[in-house]
Amino acid sequence: DTTVKQNPRYKLARVGKPVNLICSQTMNHDTMYWYQKKPNQAPKLLLFYYDKILNREADTFEKFQSSRPNNSFCSLYIGSAGLEYSAMYLCASSRDRLGDSYEQYFGPGTRLTVL
Amino acid sequence: GDSVTQTEGLVTLTEGLPVMLNCTYQTIYSNPFLFWYVQHLNESPRLLLKSFTDNKRTEHQGFHATLHKSSSSFHLQKSSAQLSDSALYYCALSDRTQVVGQLTFGRGTRLQVYA
Repeated sequence: DTTVKQNPRYKLARVGKPVNLICSQTMNHDTMYWYQKKPNQAPKLLLFYYDKILNREADTFEKFQSSRPNNSFCSLYIGSAGLEYSAMYLCASSRDRLGDSYEQYFGPGTRLTVL
Repeated sequence: GDSVTQTEGLVTLTEGLPVMLNCTYQTIYSNPFLFWYVQHLNESPRLLLKSFTDNKRTEHQGFHATLHKSSSSFHLQKSSAQLSDSALYYCALSDRTQVVGQLTFGRGTRLQVYA
């Protein structure tokens, strides 16, 4: 099974409220990623977990948090949603270079709308 | 920082005509790894092609691309477009020397094939 699952598929949030998005995979991949996709823009890497180590991009460091309680699950947490967080959030996973794959498997995305 | 440029936001073609989607990149990586991902409507992005070998053609599902490090290009081509090729195509860049293959995406090119 090469499926990456994301929940929920659609999320409506109020400004100032927290948002928690969930991603799961059963491929035993070492790395899980979160991307933000806005219309007419490239998907932007927010952060990734390599095993238990979290790496956050410098320009989104303070805006997003994440946890990976086990190999299969990874969350994306927004403490206080703003209008600018409205976007599609894509989760992906991959094996590391030792597997020489680099192929990322993507979930269907969660569309977040902040009002 | 690294960047990927896809100059066309939308390409429209009649079925049977050749396809060429442009992709150029800028990177400090000495071993860039280039990818094409395709996303059909209501589906997740999935890997179409990948290459890290200079001047070697790579093919999959009728599409082909050649990484040219001299011109920093990785254009996607197909000799004859099919209706089922209609989708959003992303060019992406990674660094083959890294353990984790995080991607820098282009903004995507939507290919629309008409009968």
